[in-house]
Amino acid sequence: NAGVMQNPRHLVRRRGQEARLRCSPMKGHSHVYWYRQLPEEGLKFMVYLQKENIIDESGMPKERFSAEFPKEGPSILRIQQVVRGDSAAYFCASSGTGLPQHFGDGTRLSIL
Amino acid sequence: AQRVTQPEKLLSVFKGAPVELKCNYSYSGSPELFWYVQYSRQRLQLLLRHISRESIKGFTADLNKGETSFHLKKPFAQEEDSAMYYCALSETSGSRLTFGEGTQLTVNP
Repeated sequence: NAGVMQNPRHLVRRRGQEARLRCSPMKGHSHVYWYRQLPEEGLKFMVYLQKENIIDESGMPKERFSAEFPKEGPSILRIQQVVRGDSAAYFCASSGTGLPQHFGDGTRLSIL
Repeated sequence: AQRVTQPEKLLSVFKGAPVELKCNYSYSGSPELFWYVQYSRQRLQLLLRHISRESIKGFTADLNKGETSFHLKKPFAQEEDSAMYYCALSETSGSRLTFGEGTQLTVNP
């Protein structure tokens, strides 16, 4: 079991471009969570999804950010019209029902 | 709203000394508490879960509801324990995690 897989590991975008971050959960896991870690800060919850459903998006910024977890394929965190403040490490975690979350290596997003 | 506080950003001890990483939380209900660890160049991984009441790599943590604390302890620190440690809280099993800011532990030879 390869664990939670995130790609890319590093992503560089210019201001105004779109960023797409992908997360494949561990085999057998149907719950996906996205967290953001700004420099010198802890991880902050963004969104919790199950297949084709957003369960909790209370941590998502109101604009430019969206997430999906389709029936087939990885979960996608999409950031439109990126700004310098979006530079951060974005972590995905997955879990089975009632089980602890397992994390991926993260995607480090840099905005030029 | 729930909150997790790790008062020490940096903690340095010598090999063989006891170590305690502090974690306090605020939440009105009965949360689940976790300790996650991130070793250098590795991903964040689960170290302890309070409901399991087990010892991993010599570490233990006891949930003290009266003091709303979940401190992580090890009687004899090893150099390989040097890592970043995060305390986290979940309202219910399977819900989002609220993390503390983390404590960077360095165990000196």
